[in-house]
Amino acid sequence: AQKVTQAQTEISVVEKEDVTLDCVYETRDTTYYLFWYKQPPSGELVFLIRRNSFDEQNEISGRYSWNFQKSTSSFNFTITASQVVDSAVYFCALYSGGGADGLTFGKGTHLIIQP
Amino acid sequence: DTAVSQTPKYLVTQMGNDKSIKCEQNLGHDTMYWYKQDSKKFLKIMFSYNNKELIINETVPNRFSPKSPDKAHLNLHINSLELGDSAVYFCASSQSPGAAPTEAFFGQGTRLTVV
Repeated sequence: AQKVTQAQTEISVVEKEDVTLDCVYETRDTTYYLFWYKQPPSGELVFLIRRNSFDEQNEISGRYSWNFQKSTSSFNFTITASQVVDSAVYFCALYSGGGADGLTFGKGTHLIIQP
Repeated sequence: DTAVSQTPKYLVTQMGNDKSIKCEQNLGHDTMYWYKQDSKKFLKIMFSYNNKELIINETVPNRFSPKSPDKAHLNLHINSLELGDSAVYFCASSQSPGAAPTEAFFGQGTRLTVV
């Protein structure tokens, strides 16, 4: 069985603060893939990053960075110098094959950036 | 040029009716999916379809059936609609799940309301 836990239901910060969204996953597979998606108020799902289980290098993309640690089964997402446009629901997801062969999503973290 | 498109975007219908949601992708992907997002924003895989192989999430009622006329389309048919079917339904596509999956590209979602 696989599972993704996003313990933070809602986070509210003031613009320009840094914020980290936590993601903890469970899987018995040795090969798996982790994803982050953004769902803004308009409702679409926007792909942010994909990481495979053999690549533990951290990644930075502009104000976004991701910290993947297999030892703690975590794949955390940090937004530096947050902006109001970052307000959205963020989903962490896991793929390791089997079952319906799609992504297993966490319940999402609602991020609110206040001006 | 939309990569994954769903129609309609909104669908309001009465209990007991049968309805369909269409999905088309122009990415040349060979796997398509349907996900359901409930009122609490929880996203769950319903089906995946690859090369005429359908994998069904065991929790999906058999009133739901995907139909794929060709590789670029995966439509969702729902019979005898119930109030609990009200949700946002997302279509998605990706490369073959057997290989390392690329990110899943999602459609804009169809908000189904059953009254």
